[in-house]
Amino acid sequence: AQSVSQHNHHVILSEAASLELGCNYSYGGTVNLFWYVQYPGQHLQLLLKYFSGDPLVKGIKGFEAEFIKSKFSFNLRKPSVQWSDTAEYFCAARSRNAGNMLTFGGGTRLMVKP
Amino acid sequence: EAGVTQSPTHLIKTRGQQATLRCSPISGHTSVYWYQQALGLGLQFLLWYDEGEERNRGNFPPRFSGRQFPNYSSELNVNALELEDSALYLCASSFPSGGDTIYFGEGSWLTVV
Repeated sequence: AQSVSQHNHHVILSEAASLELGCNYSYGGTVNLFWYVQYPGQHLQLLLKYFSGDPLVKGIKGFEAEFIKSKFSFNLRKPSVQWSDTAEYFCAARSRNAGNMLTFGGGTRLMVKP
Repeated sequence: EAGVTQSPTHLIKTRGQQATLRCSPISGHTSVYWYQQALGLGLQFLLWYDEGEERNRGNFPPRFSGRQFPNYSSELNVNALELEDSALYLCASSFPSGGDTIYFGEGSWLTVV
């Protein structure tokens, strides 16, 4: 069955540290990939998305993600995190082969210490 | 432009009762999705409606049902409520099915006591 995996469940970083959150998917064929963020008490917001083209995708707030097809990965990165990046981050994938519904990973809770 | 709106924000029900949650998609969006975000269980896909029809359904029992109205708004019904149904229910919308972005509402908190 198609699935999305996020290997880091909890991450604690100090401000200015670099961030990389792992995401792997198990879909075959063409896949659309997303990273969403949920700040405390707020709704899910789209950070960035990959549909096709340049595998390095830049999103809002300095985040970027790289699609590596051979590794079935779409890792999220940020060179220097801020306290305001404290949130839960969700990777998601969508494929016509999987009924075109958006499937989420389990989420990664990021805490940035000031 | 208004985003996805959901009501009620909070709902408290007793075990065995029925709950109805409502969702209005972004203007122009015809696809509506429902997700359950229960504590410790992440985001689980419930239902997908497009053009008034159910397109896909997640691994939930039949007491979870819904419908989409001609104006593309949607309703999620949960019958015979159980304690473990307590969760945040998220509605999302997108343009007609395809590789488009899905936008989420703020959710409805359902507490079953």
